Amino acid sequence: AQSVTQPDIHITVSEGASLELRCNYSYGATPYLFWYVQSPGQGLQLLLKYFSGDTLVQGIKGFEAEFKRSQSSFNLRKPSVHWSDAAEYFCARISGSARQLTFGSGTQLTVLP
Amino acid sequence: DAEITQSPRHKITETGRQVTLACHQTWNHNNMFWYRQDLGHGLRLIHYSYGVQDTNKGEVSDGYSVSRSNTEDLPLTLESAASSQTSVYFCASSERTGGPGELFFGEGSRLTVL
Repeated sequence: AQSVTQPDIHITVSEGASLELRCNYSYGATPYLFWYVQSPGQGLQLLLKYFSGDTLVQGIKGFEAEFKRSQSSFNLRKPSVHWSDAAEYFCARISGSARQLTFGSGTQLTVLP
Repeated sequence: DAEITQSPRHKITETGRQVTLACHQTWNHNNMFWYRQDLGHGLRLIHYSYGVQDTNKGEVSDGYSVSRSNTEDLPLTLESAASSQTSVYFCASSERTGGPGELFFGEGSRLTVL
């Protein structure tokens, strides 16, 4: 089955430091890729998405992600993390004709003052 | 503003009881989804619907059912609740039917089965 892997369960960074969250997808037809963020007690909010075209996509809250087909990756980055970025982050994909999202297991981000 | 709401937000029930979680969206989206979220598993798809009278099983559909009698609502029913169904449940909807689109999520319903 086509899947999404987030290798890091928990990441801790200091406020102001750069951030990279990893996401790998299994082989399949051109994937449609997403990053969602979940704050405590809340639903998920879309940060950004990749369908086609430019492999570097910009999202909300200063986040960006780069699609690398050769590495089957879609890593999320932010140059300078803010305390309010502490949350859980989910990578997700849709493949081919399917219209359902498949989610990774999530990465919990802690931001130190 | 359009929105998607879930109720109840918190529910405690006993093993064997029937439970229904409500999901209502005001975007007039055709696509609606139910996910459950468990530690270490991310979100897993339970059931989904692409329109009125259409329902489909997802990855973890055993013990759950849904019905779609109108565009706005997709209630999730646990026919006989089990402790393994203790989880946080999220409803979501999306607009595009011909391809991928952004999902809009409710705030979740936390279910505890004792």
